[in-house]
Amino acid sequence: NAGVTQTPKFQVLKTGQSMTLQCAQDMNHEYMSWYRQDPGMGLRLIHYSVGAGITDQGEVPNGYNVSRSTTEDFPLRLLSAAPSQTSVYFCASSRGHGNTEAFFGQGTRLTVV
Amino acid sequence: AQRVTQPEKLLSVFKGAPVELKCNYSYSGSPELFWYVQYSRQRLQLLLRHISRESIKGFTADLNKGETSFHLKKPFAQEEDSAMYYCASNVGNQFYFGTGTSLTVIP
Repeated sequence: NAGVTQTPKFQVLKTGQSMTLQCAQDMNHEYMSWYRQDPGMGLRLIHYSVGAGITDQGEVPNGYNVSRSTTEDFPLRLLSAAPSQTSVYFCASSRGHGNTEAFFGQGTRLTVV
Repeated sequence: AQRVTQPEKLLSVFKGAPVELKCNYSYSGSPELFWYVQYSRQRLQLLLRHISRESIKGFTADLNKGETSFHLKKPFAQEEDSAMYYCASNVGNQFYFGTGTSLTVIP
C-alpha cells in the first residue's frame, strides 16, 4: 500500500513549456485534490475531484487543467508554465463519507525560469 | 466562504516550555477540524482531529464552538516538534487550510 504517489519530485521548466504532474493513489479514495504551497500563503486548492469523471475548480485554478479518468489517477497539467507557478505542489486523497482524513503525496517542487 | 485563520506565521519556544498554536475557523455549523504537521521537506501528515479527541505526540486540541477556535497545545515542547503546522477544516469533503505556523523549539 503505497498511499499517494507523486512524480516527479523535482522539475525545472522554461517559461511557456507544458508538463504534467502525476498523482496516483491505491487506497480507492473517491476524493482527490491538488494544492500549491507557497511561503506565507499555506496550501491553496487548485482543482479537486469527487470521483472518476468529475472535476471542479478550487481557489487558484488558472493555468492548470486536470482530468480524472480513473479512480486512482489525478494528473495536473500546466498548459504554459509561468514563473508565478514556481511552487511546491501536493496531491491529496481522502475517502470521504464520514472518514475524511486527507493523505498527501510527498510533493513536487517546480521551478519555472 | 469557509476560512481558517492561523494568526502566527512564526512561533519560537524553548525546549520544555508550553506551546500553543492558534487556529480560528469561520463556519456556523459543525466542521471537522484537523491539525496537520509537515516536518522539513516531508509530506503533510495528520497530527490529530477533533472527532477522535486523542493526544498525539503530547499534543491536544480542543474545539471551542463559542470562540470558533481549535488551538493546538503541548505542555512541554521538544526539539523534534519543530515543524510547520497547518490547521484545516473539512466542510462537505472540501479541505480549507490555514496559512500555517512554523514552530521552532529552541534547545
